[in-house]
Amino acid sequence: NAGVTQTPKFQVLKTGQSMTLQCAQDMNHNSMYWYRQDPGMGLRLIYYSASEGTTDKGEVPNGYNVSRLNKREFSLRLESAAPSQTSVYFCASSEVSGGRETQYFGPGTRLLVL
Amino acid sequence: GNSVTQMEGPVTLSEEAFLTINCTYTATGYPSLFWYVQYPGEGLQLLLKATKADDKGSNKGFEATYRKETTSFHLEKGSVQVSDSAVYFCALDDYKLSFGAGTTVTVRA
Repeated sequence: NAGVTQTPKFQVLKTGQSMTLQCAQDMNHNSMYWYRQDPGMGLRLIYYSASEGTTDKGEVPNGYNVSRLNKREFSLRLESAAPSQTSVYFCASSEVSGGRETQYFGPGTRLLVL
Repeated sequence: GNSVTQMEGPVTLSEEAFLTINCTYTATGYPSLFWYVQYPGEGLQLLLKATKADDKGSNKGFEATYRKETTSFHLEKGSVQVSDSAVYFCALDDYKLSFGAGTTVTVRA
């Protein structure tokens, strides 16, 4: 039981390049999330998917797109990377969204945009 | 909107010292409250949670009590170990999870 997995672990991009961060969970959870973590700012929600087939914007969605490919997988795409997107990205999942559910986090992807 | 404020770090302690990390929140509804911990190089993991006022969450020697009257959820541990060195995040969930900025704790042997 791997929980939440993310690939890649680390990536360096040049400004303007695109890339997709992959996330998968094997806990049969309905809801999945993408966060970014920046020093002194905690985690900020980029996008979330309450259930398969739905996605919604979070606090900081600009410059990102997401795809809920199926119940297990939720990808985050940067179409044209900018230095401001240098961050650590975490994917998370929970059984359902909202209220009292514990979120389970992946190990993170460290992204550097030059 | 909802927000979480936690004490700034970093906090450096000696082994067996008492640890308190303050956390206060602002919410319009009746959120659940969480403490997550992030060990070096890892993702976040749930440490403890409380879902209603006066609930006490506890795990691994850590405790926090949901105080509605003071809108607080302070984390405490009576005797820390080197293995408790980590970043601690307070969070509230009122249909979306909102995190505090995190407090870095270092425990020296």
